[in-house]
This record gives sequence, structure tokens and C-alpha cells, in this order.
Amino acid sequence: DTEVTQTPKHLVMGMTNKKSLKCEQHMGHRAMYWYKQKAKKPPELMFVYSYEKLSINESVPSRFSPECPNSSLLNLHLHALQPEDSALYLCASSQGILSLPPGEQYFGPGTRLTVT
Amino acid sequence: AQTVTQSQPEMSVQEAETVTLSCTYDTSESDYYLFWYKQPPSRQMILVIRQEAYKQQNATENRFSVNFQKAAKSFSLKISDSQLGDAAMYFCAYRSDNDMRFGAGTRLTVKP
Repeated sequence: DTEVTQTPKHLVMGMTNKKSLKCEQHMGHRAMYWYKQKAKKPPELMFVYSYEKLSINESVPSRFSPECPNSSLLNLHLHALQPEDSALYLCASSQGILSLPPGEQYFGPGTRLTVT
Repeated sequence: AQTVTQSQPEMSVQEAETVTLSCTYDTSESDYYLFWYKQPPSRQMILVIRQEAYKQQNATENRFSVNFQKAAKSFSLKISDSQLGDAAMYFCAYRSDNDMRFGAGTRLTVKP
């Protein structure tokens, strides 16, 4: 199984809503990532979890709150977002970082988020 | 921070022909990985090919091959016998222990 799944596929939310994006992988990968991708732009790294601990936070606003409940799951909690936060949010996983060869990342299909 | 540069926003190739996509990067690290990812209109990122910086031999994967020039910090992708299904956005990516960067992408069009 080399699949990364993400739910929901599409999400429309108001600026006062609270919602969560979910990501799951069962490849035994110990590193998981959140990216934000605007149209016609490359993915921008937001967060990296290694062994369920947050290891990289690319100065992302606090209205985005990541959570890694276990080695297979990664959540992104959203609160008080702005219209400019509308984008495709991609989750990825890889074998590891730091002491292990990072290996290639496997990407999920993404969640298309629209903030109204 | 490391930078990855793709100088060709768009490229076009005739079906069955060969095309080369360019990528350069900047880093002070000696141990890193380079990747080419493909993102079709469906938006799912798919790994095309990877290259470990410590390997001198260029990676190949069927019709896809790279020209890795470590001293020049260049990592181009060659697609041979182009197929209609190769049409997509191609991203060059740099990966080290603590960093992951993508280039701006090259949109490849394949003409029948």
C-alpha cells in the first residue's frame, strides 16, 4: 500500500468556522508533511512531523494548527481563516528525516479549501 | 534556505520526441536528494525520478533520465519518446534532512 489518503476532497468554510483536514498513511513512514499549494504555484512547506513530533514549522500563522495523533495520522485544524488561505492543501509522507535517509515523499490527492 | 530554480515556465514537445526540462539549485550542504515530481491536471503529485547527491551515476527510470551535474548544481530531466500522458506540471525538488523545496514548475504540453 503506497497510498496517502486525505479527507475531505473539497471543503468550503466561513471565516468564523472551525474545521479539520485529515491525512492517513499505512506505509510505516515516520515523517509526515503539510503543504499549501496555490493555483499555478509549487507546493509550499508548512509543517513537518518526525516520529509524531513537530520538527519544522515554516512560520505558519496560528490559525493553522497541526496535530499528529499517531504515526499514521496527521490532522490540520483550521480556525478563523482568511479568504487568501483558499488553496489546495497537500499531505505527504516519507520514510524519515534526520537520522534516516529522507527518501521520496508520497503525496495525497489534496483537499481543495475555499474560505468565504 | 535552499533555492530551486526552473527557468522554463512552459515547454512543448511533439509526441514521440525528446524534451529536456532544466533545474538548478543552490545549497551549501553535501548530502541531499533531488527529485522530479509530475502533477497532472488531477493535481496528485507523482514521483518521476530521484537522485541521491552522493551517487555520480545519473538516475534513469524507463523513458525518464536525469543529467545530474553536482559541481554545477544542475539537475535536468530528459523525457524520451514523449507520450500524451506526459503532459503535466513538472516540479524539481530538493530535499535534505531539514528542508524540502520545490521549483516554480514547468508546464509540459505534448502535441499529437
